[in-house]
Amino acid sequence: DTGVSQDPRHKITKRGQNVTFRCDPISEHNRLYWYRQTLGQGPEFLTYFQNEAQLEKSRLLSDRFSAERPKGSFSTLEIQRTEQGDSAMYLCASSSPTWGQGDEKLFFGSGTQLSVL
Amino acid sequence: DQQVKQNSPSLSVQEGRISILNCDYTNSMFDYFLWYKKYPAEGPTFLISISSIKDKNEDGRFTVFLNKSAKHLSLHIVPSQPGDSAVYFCAAANFGNEKLTFGTGTRLTIIP
Repeated sequence: DTGVSQDPRHKITKRGQNVTFRCDPISEHNRLYWYRQTLGQGPEFLTYFQNEAQLEKSRLLSDRFSAERPKGSFSTLEIQRTEQGDSAMYLCASSSPTWGQGDEKLFFGSGTQLSVL
Repeated sequence: DQQVKQNSPSLSVQEGRISILNCDYTNSMFDYFLWYKKYPAEGPTFLISISSIKDKNEDGRFTVFLNKSAKHLSLHIVPSQPGDSAVYFCAAANFGNEKLTFGTGTRLTIIP
């Protein structure tokens, strides 16, 4: 178990640029989640995949955001035309297929800290 | 609409004493509750959880209590250690939807 891996750890970009983050979940986990955390707040749900299917998207996920999980393994989160309000930590998490059988928890990666200048 | 609330942004406790962190929720459909611990520049780490069919769950120094009628849960850490200094998040979910809803966190500082 190598844990959830996120890349990059930090990203500084100029307003209007596009950025892409990558998440590699724990290998046997079929569910993958993206959350966003800003200063003083708890993580906020953005979107969720079961295998390659994107099952739910938060209203926080504007049209400038897109997430993919093409082969049901790693996932990417792209933000187009970044704005200063996009500055946050973007967290990826995965969960076991045995959710609902006494194994209900998400495993989080270390996050990608995005700063939009 | 903040469905999970942690009303104490910070808490300081002497090393060796008990730390009690509180969490309130408004959504009666939640049936699973979790506590996560977070250090700066790291992702949240799972600590302990409790199902709504229970009122207490223990794991070593950590105990979570659930009062469903009051829609309140608490995390007890005893004895508190310096390494416990971190931000603690309460989270909730229901079995039909694996999305976690988090509170805003409580920063715990253990004073040596």
